[in-house]
Amino acid sequence: DAMVIQNPRYQVTQFGKPVTLSCSQTLNHNVMYWYQQKSSQAPKLLFHYYDKDFNNEADTPDNFQSRRPNTSFCFLDIRSPGLGDAAMYLCATSRDRPGPSNEQFFGPGTRLTVL
Amino acid sequence: RKEVEQDPGPFNVPEGATVAFNCTYSNSASQSFFWYRQDCRKEPKLLMSVYSSGNEDGRFTAQLNRASQYISLLIRDSKLSDSATYLCVVNDRDDKIIFGKGTRLHILP
Repeated sequence: DAMVIQNPRYQVTQFGKPVTLSCSQTLNHNVMYWYQQKSSQAPKLLFHYYDKDFNNEADTPDNFQSRRPNTSFCFLDIRSPGLGDAAMYLCATSRDRPGPSNEQFFGPGTRLTVL
Repeated sequence: RKEVEQDPGPFNVPEGATVAFNCTYSNSASQSFFWYRQDCRKEPKLLMSVYSSGNEDGRFTAQLNRASQYISLLIRDSKLSDSATYLCVVNDRDDKIIFGKGTRLHILP
């Protein structure tokens, strides 16, 4: 089945130790998104790629970076994780830019713990 | 005013009842609207897109009121499996995607 896959599902890192989260998709969608979701809060968009075009949200900290080496894969790099970065990180895709009938498909998420 | 606002609930509703909740948005130029469902510790999944004319999918009805800047979700004949958090999503013209914090719904047996 076509889907959005995130690895690992659970990630534990130490304060300040760089970590990379992975997302892959078999939907061949143009757009890939990274969201951060903390407990009882809305998913917060960090950035998205439209094909190779990177779009950063204005309030995304510099500590968060992303790479999209090809259509299928997208990575979230956290250069120096702090305790406040512990959250669920959700990857999503959509066929085209946000708009009517362009739903997003979410991966199962990676739950990040920072010790 | 927050960009997208939802009553966090929880709404505790007996099985079989009808429940409705709204989501207000601040940007009158917002273009598209969705309801997503999120189960505990799971990813959001699309429930319905919301069209200007309103739309229905089985027990679920979504409506858009542009004049008052809100969307609504109505669930009829609620089932235990409807228990979840319902997230309102609004897209602006500049590709901005905003999620509401969600409304928690508990269907009681």
